[in-house]
Amino acid sequence: EADIYQTPRYLVIGTGKKITLECSQTMGHDKMYWYQQDPGMELHLIHYSYGVNSTEKGDLSSESTVSRIRTEHFPLTLESARPSHTSQYLCASSDPAGGRNEAFFGQGTRLTVV
Amino acid sequence: AQRVTQPEKLLSVFKGAPVELKCNYSYSGSPELFWYVQYSRQRLQLLLRHISRESIKGFTADLNKGETSFHLKKPFAQEEDSAMYYCALSQTGANNLFFGTGTRLTVIP
Repeated sequence: EADIYQTPRYLVIGTGKKITLECSQTMGHDKMYWYQQDPGMELHLIHYSYGVNSTEKGDLSSESTVSRIRTEHFPLTLESARPSHTSQYLCASSDPAGGRNEAFFGQGTRLTVV
Repeated sequence: AQRVTQPEKLLSVFKGAPVELKCNYSYSGSPELFWYVQYSRQRLQLLLRHISRESIKGFTADLNKGETSFHLKKPFAQEEDSAMYYCALSQTGANNLFFGTGTRLTVIP
C-alpha cells in the first residue's frame, strides 16, 4: 500500500549523540519535506527535496542535515543532539503533477534530548 | 512575507451546533489555501483545498480575497469532528506550505 513511514515514532536521547530520523515513502513522489513543530506552534519547513541528489534548506534554520540518495528515502540527521532540538519532526511528500500541491504526512517523530 | 493566522487555539461547540474555524492569511500574490486535519493518534491529512470548492465531511471553506480569509465551516458539528485543524497556504507551484498554529476543536456531546 502506498504510504509514507517515519521511524522511530518516539526517541529520547542524551545530549551530544548523533541521531538519524528515517522517512520513506512508497508513493513514487519526487518532492519530500521535513517540518519541525514545537508544541502549540506552527509547522516550519526545515528541509525539502525535489528529487534524488536534490536538497534545500527551508524557511526555519536548522542544524540538521538531510540526504536524498534514493527517491523513496529522505533521512534527517543531527550530528550532535542538544536539548534545543527537542521537538516533533514531520516528514511529508507530494506530487505536484497537474498543479496539485497536496502534501502527505508521516506519523511524525517526537524527539526529546535530555 | 506569507503568514497564516488562526486566532483560536481552542474551540468548543455542542453537537449539532454550527462551527466556524477562522483562518486569515497575508500574501501579496495568488495563494492556494488548504485545511489539514489531525484526528487523535492519526497523522496530519488534507481535509480540503480552496480550488476544489468541495464539501468534505460536511465542511466547506470559501476563499475571501477581500478579507484575506479562508474560514472553515460546518452547519452541524459531530463528535467525530473533534480534532486539530490547520490552515495552510502555498504559493501556486511553490515548494512550501505555510501552516497556522492550529485550532483544537472539541465537539461536546
